[in-house]
Amino acid sequence: KAGVTQTPRYLIKTRGQQVTLSCSPISGHRSVSWYQQTPGQGLQFLFEYFSETQRNKGNFPGRFSGRQFSNSRSEMNVSTLELGDSALYLCASSEGQDASPLHFGNGTRLTVT
Amino acid sequence: AQSVTQLGSHVSVSEGALVLLRCNYSSSVPPYLFWYVQYPNQGLQLLLKYTTGATLVKGINGFEAEFKKSETSFHLTKPSAHMSDAAEYFCAVTKAAGNKLTFGGGTRVLVKP
Repeated sequence: KAGVTQTPRYLIKTRGQQVTLSCSPISGHRSVSWYQQTPGQGLQFLFEYFSETQRNKGNFPGRFSGRQFSNSRSEMNVSTLELGDSALYLCASSEGQDASPLHFGNGTRLTVT
Repeated sequence: AQSVTQLGSHVSVSEGALVLLRCNYSSSVPPYLFWYVQYPNQGLQLLLKYTTGATLVKGINGFEAEFKKSETSFHLTKPSAHMSDAAEYFCAVTKAAGNKLTFGGGTRVLVKP
């Protein structure tokens, strides 16, 4: 099976702009989670979608949003970008049951200037 | 709230020596525990997980971890380090349904020849 695919791999945006990141999960996986990774804060949970419904949400401002489509593909959007949003954004998919292992993509590196 | 503490942000070991990475967690209910590895410019890969049952868990690449409830620990070991083990290692915990993982700060392993 193909792994988790995230596009684009790298992004450079200007403060105040918005950005959309895309994630294609492993075939058959119904859960998609998003994490932000920064040197200062480490890995932080953004949100999880299961069968098109947000099942869990982390402690991020409303500028961060996401959605999941009927084919399980997911997008996350960040509006009004701030310098502090520069990070590696990781998407992970799983079958969705308790403690089912997460399969991570290679991430999207977002740089905000 | 759950939390994970990884003792030591950097560990240096000689090739062939024991690798020991420490992880302590706090959780109000029995947790699910994971170890992930991240190689440069890549996402995270699952090494092993503990859910219930046997407290000594064997994972990929010769790694294993032991769940000790009395010590709230889940330390990761490998008897003999290999150069390819140089990477960053993350301990993570979850207790709820879904996939909201709380990660430790990570331990970067350097393997010396």
